[in-house]
Amino acid sequence: DTEVTQTPKHLVMGMTNKKSLKCEQHMGHRAMYWYKQKAKKPPELMFVYSYEKLSINESVPSRFSPECPNSSLLNLHLHALQPEDSALYLCASSQGELAGVHEQFFGPGTRLTVL
Amino acid sequence: AQSVTQLDSQVPVFEEAPVELRCNYSSSVSVYLFWYVQYPNQGLQLLLKYLSGSTLVKGINGFEAEFNKSQTSFHLRKPSVHISDTAEYFCAVTSARAGGTSYGKLTFGQGTILTVHP
Repeated sequence: DTEVTQTPKHLVMGMTNKKSLKCEQHMGHRAMYWYKQKAKKPPELMFVYSYEKLSINESVPSRFSPECPNSSLLNLHLHALQPEDSALYLCASSQGELAGVHEQFFGPGTRLTVL
Repeated sequence: AQSVTQLDSQVPVFEEAPVELRCNYSSSVSVYLFWYVQYPNQGLQLLLKYLSGSTLVKGINGFEAEFNKSQTSFHLRKPSVHISDTAEYFCAVTSARAGGTSYGKLTFGQGTILTVHP
């Protein structure tokens, strides 16, 4: 299995809602990433988990809360979002630092719309 | 820290013509380089990567890229494009120095939209 899967594909939520994005990989990768991508822009890194520990938080607002329950799963919990948070949210995974390999495999993304 | 400049935001080309998408990078340490492709409403797919060794790298879908250390470039080429190559292409770089703060973090260029016309 060489795939990163993301659910849901699309999500519409109000500013008072709480929702979660889910990402899963079964490649044995030990690093997982969340990116945010606005239209016609490159992906912007949000969080990195390395060996199930949060290793990088790129000063993301606390209304985004990541969670890594195990080495295959990555969640992004959303609460009290703003309309400007509407974007494509991409998950990626890689073998991890200790493997010395850095190519990241991306999921198809979740298209989030905040009303 | 690293930075990536993709010199063309849009490249229109006719089917079966050759194409080159240009990428320059800046870094104070040695780097690994990548090209990703993104089709509309999809995630990113790795086209090819340079880690070490031969400076000419071959990837999927007939693409290749050449790493030029002296010019800090990693241009992407294809000798004959197809309509299906229409997509956005991102050049990305990461530090090759273990333990640094940028280790494992990808820095992307702004992207080049390749449009192949019949």
